[in-house]
Order: sequence, then structure tokens, then C-alpha cells
Amino acid sequence: AQKITQTQPGMFVQEKEAVTLDCTYDTSDQSYGLFWYKQPSSGEMIFLIYQGSYDEQNATEGRYSLNFQKARKSANLVISASQLGDSAMYFCAMREAWNQGGKLIFGQGTELSVKP
Amino acid sequence: EAGVAQSPRYKIIEKRQSVAFWCNPISGHATLYWYQQILGQGPKLLIQFQNNGVVDDSQLPKDRFSAERLKGVDSTLKIQPAKLEDSAVYLCASSLRQTSGANVLTFGAGSRLTVL
Repeated sequence: AQKITQTQPGMFVQEKEAVTLDCTYDTSDQSYGLFWYKQPSSGEMIFLIYQGSYDEQNATEGRYSLNFQKARKSANLVISASQLGDSAMYFCAMREAWNQGGKLIFGQGTELSVKP
Repeated sequence: EAGVAQSPRYKIIEKRQSVAFWCNPISGHATLYWYQQILGQGPKLLIQFQNNGVVDDSQLPKDRFSAERLKGVDSTLKIQPAKLEDSAVYLCASSLRQTSGANVLTFGAGSRLTVL
């Protein structure tokens, strides 16, 4: 079974508008962490934002925020005021059993294109 | 702070040949990871080291892949003999602590392998 599902292979957004990238996850653990990474065409994975399963507030980092809905097992990334440089692949990832060194599992990714 | 260094960036080989990739993590990072990213997919963990010990190598094809992290610093991933399906980007990542929920992985730029 897929642990991390990203149902949008590709997304388009107009520059300066907001966009939401979807992510759902599957786990029976109570303690887990959710991550979003950006991968531009250069190939390097860049960490964007983290949400712990016990965090009550949604995580925010600058223009990035994570819409965490625990009951629905979703962790959508919201990018506000899109910029041309936001065009990239975006990966949602989860770590289960983090206190035992659980590995980071990635979804299939969503390719975001920002239009001028 | 210097990032995760990987080499070579690109490698083209014939099937059944061998190849080796090198990774130097961020100084002080105890945990090192090798991920395989096939085109159009999310990264998949091959092996995880804590210092110079293996934590998880459950998805490493051990008949052809090997990895070592002597002295707990830099690491080498080897493929011998290579198959066509090994064509992928090999990403190295490191992190400060293994047993932490917010354990952020820092990735290198990757080594792109093409097997002909």
C-alpha cells in the first residue's frame, strides 16, 4: 500500500497567486513527521517545511504553510504569492517511528509550473 | 556550512560494467543515507548509516549493490554489475540526529547514472 500519495502529477499556477499541493498519508503510528521538499531542475532536494503529528498548530515557513488535517491524514502544502522560481517538483514525505530512526518515505511528487 | 558533496555528477556506462559513487556529508552529521530516484518517481531509500554502522538496508539489492562508510564520515555506493534498470539519480543525504521527529535530511545534488 502507498504510504504517501500525491494525486496531482502536474499543476499550473499564475505568478503571485496561491497554490495548494495535495498529500495524503497512511500510517498506524501515533508519532510521525511530515515533510515537504522541493526539487528544482538542478536535482538537489531542498527542505521546505516540517509538521510533527503532535503539533497542534499548522507549520509555516515564510510563503510556505502546511495544512495538516490529522483525521483525514492529509498534509497539503500551500504556497502563497507564487514566484517563477517556485517552478519545480515538490515531494511530500513521512517518517514513521521517528524515535526509532524510522526512514523517510517519499511520494511520487507534483510538478509545479508557475506562469508569468 | 558546506553542503553534502557528491561525485561524479554524471556517469554513463554499459550494462554489466561497474560504477562507484562517492558522498561526503555535512561535517558532524552522524546519519548518512543513499536514495535512488528513478525518473518520474520519488526517491527510494537504499541504505541508511548511523556513524559507520548500517541501520537499514532492506531495499538495497545486495546481489549487485554495496555501500560502505568507513570511519563514519564519507561513503561509497557501488553497483556491480549494472543493469539497465539501475539508470537513476543516486542521492546522498545526511542528518544530525537519527532519533528525532524533526530530523531534517540535507541532500546533495545527486549522481545521475545512465546504463546503456
